[in-house]
Amino acid sequence: DIQMTQSPSSLSASVGDRVTITCRASQSINNYLNWYQQTPGKAPKLLIYAASNLQSGVPSRFSGSGSGTDFTLTISSLQPEDFATYYCQQGYRTSLTFGQGTKLEIK
Amino acid sequence: QLQLQESGPRLVKPSETLSLTCTVSGGSINSNNYYWGWIRQPPGKGLEWIGSFYYGGSTYYNPSLKSRVTLSADTSKTQFSLKLSSVTAADTAVYYCARVDQLELRVDPWGQGTLVTVSS
Repeated sequence: DIQMTQSPSSLSASVGDRVTITCRASQSINNYLNWYQQTPGKAPKLLIYAASNLQSGVPSRFSGSGSGTDFTLTISSLQPEDFATYYCQQGYRTSLTFGQGTKLEIK
Repeated sequence: QLQLQESGPRLVKPSETLSLTCTVSGGSINSNNYYWGWIRQPPGKGLEWIGSFYYGGSTYYNPSLKSRVTLSADTSKTQFSLKLSSVTAADTAVYYCARVDQLELRVDPWGQGTLVTVSS
């Protein structure tokens, strides 16, 4: 299995801050990396697919980059509704694997 | 707009079989270019992929669950099912059904999820 490791596991930030979450794969996955946002009690929501493509309806303050083994999710200016848990997921192999999650909390 | 909804017993006894059904509305599971699958999330923990299948094609299972999991599709082409045998408390989780894009393996949309508790 391809292991996905996110950092940090948790992060405190303020409204308006720029934040970056990192995801590392245990082997090269080209650009087959997807990002999700999950709020408490809700299903995950797709934000970014294929490393840098914004899913329809997702605000442009979200962006993704990277290829190979190292990827980032950036939120350019945090809004109150962005405080949530974020997961990366490799789409390189049909045996899907997710990162452990990054919980973004209000400072 | 495609929507998915999980249904099934919310409480299962240890050693028994967990059975869930996913009902798809606004589309069908024999659509080209998509897998259909299950993902679970134990309370307070992360996401774990259980398995995916392509209608009329291959099925893929998480190696750690493979011996206990069966995915199947209904001939109505609007439902698919999960069976997980010999459950223990460690199988207590929110279970999500979802559509998986065949190319980037992006998971979207997801069902709302259903909490299944394993307890006597």
